[in-house]
Parts: sequence; C-alpha cells; structure tokens
Amino acid sequence: EAGVAQSPRYKIIEKRQSVAFWCNPISGHATLYWYQQILGQGPKLLIQFQNNGVVDDSQLPKDRFSAERLKGVDSTLKIQPAKLEDSAVYLCASSLDVSRGNQPQHFGDGTRLSIL
Amino acid sequence: AQSVTQPDIHITVSEGASLELRCNYSYGATPYLFWYVQSPGQGLQLLLKYFSGDTLVQGIKGFEAEFKRSQSSFNLRKPSVHWSDAAEYFCAVGSTSGTYKYIFGTGTRLKVLA
Repeated sequence: EAGVAQSPRYKIIEKRQSVAFWCNPISGHATLYWYQQILGQGPKLLIQFQNNGVVDDSQLPKDRFSAERLKGVDSTLKIQPAKLEDSAVYLCASSLDVSRGNQPQHFGDGTRLSIL
Repeated sequence: AQSVTQPDIHITVSEGASLELRCNYSYGATPYLFWYVQSPGQGLQLLLKYFSGDTLVQGIKGFEAEFKRSQSSFNLRKPSVHWSDAAEYFCAVGSTSGTYKYIFGTGTRLKVLA
C-alpha cells in the first residue's frame, strides 16, 4: 500500500511570512495527525482529526497555526505568520480508526521548515 | 499525566555487538507502548508495539522489547547490531482511552562503529 504522502519536503521562508503543508494519508485511514518535531526532540502532537472532525488540538498555537481536513482525506496545515521558533520538521501520520481503539500510526517523511 | 523518558541521548556500539535502548514511562495504568526508528530525513517507522499479553515483543529488523510493569520500562534490544541500524530511536506511550494520544520520548541517537 502507498504510504503517507507529504509535500513539500523542504521549505525556507522568512519570519512573518505564511506557509502551508499538505498531507495525503494512507487510503482508508480515518485518523490523521500533525506533529511538530523540533531538532533534538521527539514529535509533539499539534492536531488530531477523526475523519473531517478535530478530536484534539490542545497543543496547536491557534493564533498562528490552522489545519483542516476537508472531505476527511487530505489535510493542510498552515502557519501565518511564521516565527523563528517554528523551524522544525512537520510530520503527518495516519491510522485506521482510533474510534475502534488504539492502532499504530504510520508516518510520512515530513516537511522540514526553516525560518530565516 | 503520561510521560516517557529515554535516559540516553546518544549511544555508540560496534557492529555485531548487542544493543539495549532504555525507555521508562509514567501512566496510570498499563499503557500501549511503541518503538519507532527514524533515519535521517525520513519519517518514523514502527519497529514494534505492545498492547497486552506476552511481555516480550518481537518486531521488525531483528528487534525485540520487553515490558516490565514493576519497573515501568519498555527497553528495546537487538542481539547483533548492523551498520544500517544507525538512526534515532523513539519510544512512545499511547493512552488506552479517549483519543489514544501518543507521547514520544526525546529519542536516542544510535551510532554504529565498523
């Protein structure tokens, strides 16, 4: 099966600019996650979707970050305006359907964001 | 609140030597436990998982992990390391209810000497 697809792989922007990341989960996976991984740290959950609804966005900086998953498949994560501390790798993951219990998450290769 | 500690930031072993990476967790009950590996520039790949049952779990690439409830640990082991195992390894705790949220440790970077 095809894995989780993310684009772009790399992005360099200046602070205060905006940026968007795209994720296409594994076909049939109802649950989608966005993580932020700062250099030297483990991934931190930003937002979790179940189909097209948000189930956890408690750690999403809502003043600058937004995410959507229209139609319950693809998802986009946006940052506007970007700050220097947003430099990180943004990982997308998906799992079958956590409403049926815990299942392993499958990760994409991530987008590496550098803020100048 | 759930948390994960990986005490070793870096580990260096010689090729062919055995490996043990430590993971300690904090959770109110028996959690779901995972080990992932991340090669440079790539996402995380699942090595193995523990949900219940046998406390010794076999994974891919010759890895295994043992769940020890009394020590709140889930250490990853491999009897003979290959140069291709050089990567960063993450332990994760998954909650057993609600959103089944994962909490990741800070990772252990493994270097393999030829």
